[in-house]
Amino acid sequence: SAVISQKPSRDICQRGTSLTIQCQVDSQVTMMFWYRQQPGQSLTLIATANQGSEATYESGFVIDKFPISRPNLTFSTLTVSNMSPEDSSIYLCSVVGQLSTDTQYFGPGTRLTVL
Amino acid sequence: DQQVKQNSPSLSVQEGRISILNCDYTNSMFDYFLWYKKYPAEGPTFLISISSIKDKNEDGRFTVFLNKSAKHLSLHIVPSQPGDSAVYFCAASVESGTYKYIFGTGTRLKVLA
Repeated sequence: SAVISQKPSRDICQRGTSLTIQCQVDSQVTMMFWYRQQPGQSLTLIATANQGSEATYESGFVIDKFPISRPNLTFSTLTVSNMSPEDSSIYLCSVVGQLSTDTQYFGPGTRLTVL
Repeated sequence: DQQVKQNSPSLSVQEGRISILNCDYTNSMFDYFLWYKKYPAEGPTFLISISSIKDKNEDGRFTVFLNKSAKHLSLHIVPSQPGDSAVYFCAASVESGTYKYIFGTGTRLKVLA
C-alpha cells in the first residue's frame, strides 16, 4: 500500500485567508482525490486531481474556492480559499495505486479550524 | 440527501463477542461496497469490500453481508478485539473502478476488555 503524508496536520486560520494543503505519496499513483469531512458528517469527495490538467470537481465544489494542483504522479495540493468558519473540516487526500486495485488509500488528514 | 446511512453512531461490544455494524443505502445503482476503519488522527484504512454480484465476502475475522433487496449491508467482526475499537465507515459506488465513493457518517465501535 502507498504511504501518504499531508502537511500541515492541523491549522487554525482567520476568516478570509487561504490555506494550501500538501499531499505527498511515496510511490507513483494513478489517481489522487481530495475529500472533506465536516464535523459529524461523512467524507465527501471534493475533486479528482488530474496530473497536468485541471481537476475534476464534484457537484457543489468549484475551482475558485478549492484550486487543486497535481504536477506529478506523487504530489498534489489543495487550497481552501477565502475561508469562512463553514470550511472548518478535516481535509483528506486519497490515492489509487498503479496496480489499480479497487482500493483507495487515505492520508492522515489535515484538521482545519477557521475562526 | 444521505444515500448511505449508518444509523447507529456508536456501539459497545464485549471482547470476544460478535460486533455487527449496519449500513443502509438508497441508490439501487450502487454495485460496489466497502468498509473502512479509522483510528483517531489517522486516515481511513480499507477493511473489506463486496461486489453486488455477491451476498457475502469473508476475510479472516471480518465478514460483509449484502442484502440487495433490502438495500442493506453489514459488517461482522468475530471475535471482537480491543484493537478493533475505531470508527467504521461504509461506502458505496455506482461502478467498481470509478473510485467515486459515497460514505456513511460512521459508527464508533468500542470493544470492552
